[in-house]
Amino acid sequence: QKEVEQNSGPLSVPEGAIASLNCTYSDRGSQSFFWYRQYSGKSPELIMFIYSNGDKEDGRFTAQLNKASQYVSLLIRDSQPSDSATYLCAVGTQGGSEKLVFGKGTKLTVNP
Amino acid sequence: NAGVTQTPKFRILKIGQSMTLQCTQDMNHNYMYWYRQDPGMGLKLIYYSVGAGITDKGEVPNGYNVSRSTTEDFPLRLELAAPSQTSVYFCASKSSYEQYFGPGTRLTVT
Repeated sequence: QKEVEQNSGPLSVPEGAIASLNCTYSDRGSQSFFWYRQYSGKSPELIMFIYSNGDKEDGRFTAQLNKASQYVSLLIRDSQPSDSATYLCAVGTQGGSEKLVFGKGTKLTVNP
Repeated sequence: NAGVTQTPKFRILKIGQSMTLQCTQDMNHNYMYWYRQDPGMGLKLIYYSVGAGITDKGEVPNGYNVSRSTTEDFPLRLELAAPSQTSVYFCASKSSYEQYFGPGTRLTVT
């Protein structure tokens, strides 16, 4: 059973701070990693994906991947109240991205 | 371009009833998926399809059936509904790497 584990949270940070979200995965053969954001009562939407070890930056978001440690993280800089949501880590199985295994999500609250 | 649409938005079923959740995408994606999401949990894959006429089981397929007769449509059938099937159901389709999700169907079985 391939598993994806996330900090259960909830995580609360003040506006302007850095929010750090973490995820570990069990399938050493995984090659694709995704972060989805889900607002309450809404459907998930993709915010970042990463395939290679290291960092990938997109605006205020940075995804970090360490395949040796089977660890992926998402940093949100200058957090805004609009970032308050549940963040789902998803990992591609079978060496591709056709099927994803999702973690349970971490609920982030950014306090004004 | 509507993306992924799902109907109905809400439904209450009695135990033992059957229903079909509809999913349609207009992005010409080959890959389509059905997930369920229980409160405080991530998404669990029920079934997926890699193209018209091809479907396969995911993590939690028991109690469900699917068909894929066209690229656009991927209905999910619940036979003999049980309280354990109370959940939010999301349909998704996939481009090269991104899965696009529909708005979801909230199903309650009582």
